[in-house]
Amino acid sequence: GEDVEQSLFLSVREGDSSVINCTYTDSSSTYLYWYKQEPGAGLQLLTYIFSNMDMKQDQRLTVLLNKKDKHLSLRIADTQTGDSAIYFCAERRSEGSSNTGKLIFGQGTTLQVKP
Amino acid sequence: SAVISQKPSRDICQRGTSLTIQCQVDSQVTMMFWYRQQPGQSLTLIATANQGSEATYESGFVIDKFPISRPNLTFSTLTVSNMSPEDSSIYLCSARVQQADNEQFFGPGTRLTVL
Repeated sequence: GEDVEQSLFLSVREGDSSVINCTYTDSSSTYLYWYKQEPGAGLQLLTYIFSNMDMKQDQRLTVLLNKKDKHLSLRIADTQTGDSAIYFCAERRSEGSSNTGKLIFGQGTTLQVKP
Repeated sequence: SAVISQKPSRDICQRGTSLTIQCQVDSQVTMMFWYRQQPGQSLTLIATANQGSEATYESGFVIDKFPISRPNLTFSTLTVSNMSPEDSSIYLCSARVQQADNEQFFGPGTRLTVL
């Protein structure tokens, strides 16, 4: 299919780990991104991973990439109430010989963190 | 990183009128984009803003409805023309910067309501 897919909702308890999953579509995508959107705000770039990597860790965030299955995940360790937001994954699709590439977004996963 | 500002942050407009949204980036930019986020939805790319030439529009978006200017590297405008209630959305400016072309940043968005 053409769509980047995410589950719509995830609820966790404060202090637990959260894992948000994403399936993308273009095996030639160069970069994959995770963005956070809090209510009434724009998008904050959390992290990204180059397609030839399979893992990237940045403080509480761990990104895992399974290129064979076109599956991306974001793990948030020790989830806090401030992590409550919508999380979008996006793939940067290559466009022929051009290096521009445009971002295609999933529909977003709403993370609810319960105290 | 880059700081992207947009003006206005929100507006309420009458149908049939037009609104121009401004976007300013604080870094040297390689590429600028305009996205739309309809209520409760993901982001859809409207167009790539090209410096000194016509923007490149995505399928479903046309220049007459969404004229875009980019007179210099760091500034762009998007006009939503002849508005209808269906144009009520968040419009987001986005950019990649020279020192970190792998990363794509977003402005805070302009929340448009058309009555």
